[in-house]
Amino acid sequence: DGGITQSPKYLFRKEGQNVTLSCEQNLNHDAMYWYRQDPGQGLRLIYYSQIVNDFQKGDIAEGYSVSREKKESFPLTVTSAQKNPTAFYLCASSITGIQKLFFGSGTQLSVL
Amino acid sequence: AQKITQTQPGMFVQEKEAVTLDCTYDTSDPSYGLFWYKQPSSGEMIFLIYQGSYDQQNATEGRYSLNFQKARKSANLVISASQLGDSAMYFCAMREGDGNAGGTSYGKLTFGQGTILTVHP
Repeated sequence: DGGITQSPKYLFRKEGQNVTLSCEQNLNHDAMYWYRQDPGQGLRLIYYSQIVNDFQKGDIAEGYSVSREKKESFPLTVTSAQKNPTAFYLCASSITGIQKLFFGSGTQLSVL
Repeated sequence: AQKITQTQPGMFVQEKEAVTLDCTYDTSDPSYGLFWYKQPSSGEMIFLIYQGSYDQQNATEGRYSLNFQKARKSANLVISASQLGDSAMYFCAMREGDGNAGGTSYGKLTFGQGTILTVHP
């Protein structure tokens, strides 16, 4: 079945550590996105990518980095510079020109 | 300034009744799109319905309809014949710069804070 796979479902980060969240899609979508969700809050855009080898900062990019080497994959690295990384992270994708976003099931990141 | 406002932190409805979830938005862009997503406890975001700013008619998708009042900048979601499985968090979202259907904008959505809907048997 086509869809978006995020892994792991739960992730723990130690102080000063970088961690990488995986996002893979087999929908052949051009665009991919990373959103952050804090408890009781809406989603905020971290980074997005419209095509391979290109990506743009969203509203809260500081402390995060991404890469888009393949159309199917858009990993998110939470760096040690992100001082408040505990949140629920959602990856999404869409076809260019189509309004609807398809979301993965999310990764819950917590700090030890 | 808050671009998307959902003023109802929580709503309760009896099974089989209809419920309206409120959403107001703020934009100066004449082209925009409005979305509603459902987030069950599993965490995944499920697309429900879309309304483009140039659409002449209110959007409908099965039991979901969007009450679009452009002059008031509101885009309320109406769920008819509520079911127990409708219990979830509901988010309103907007994308500015949308064209008509099939435009070339991307998925940079701005979300509201959400409304938790609880359906009672």
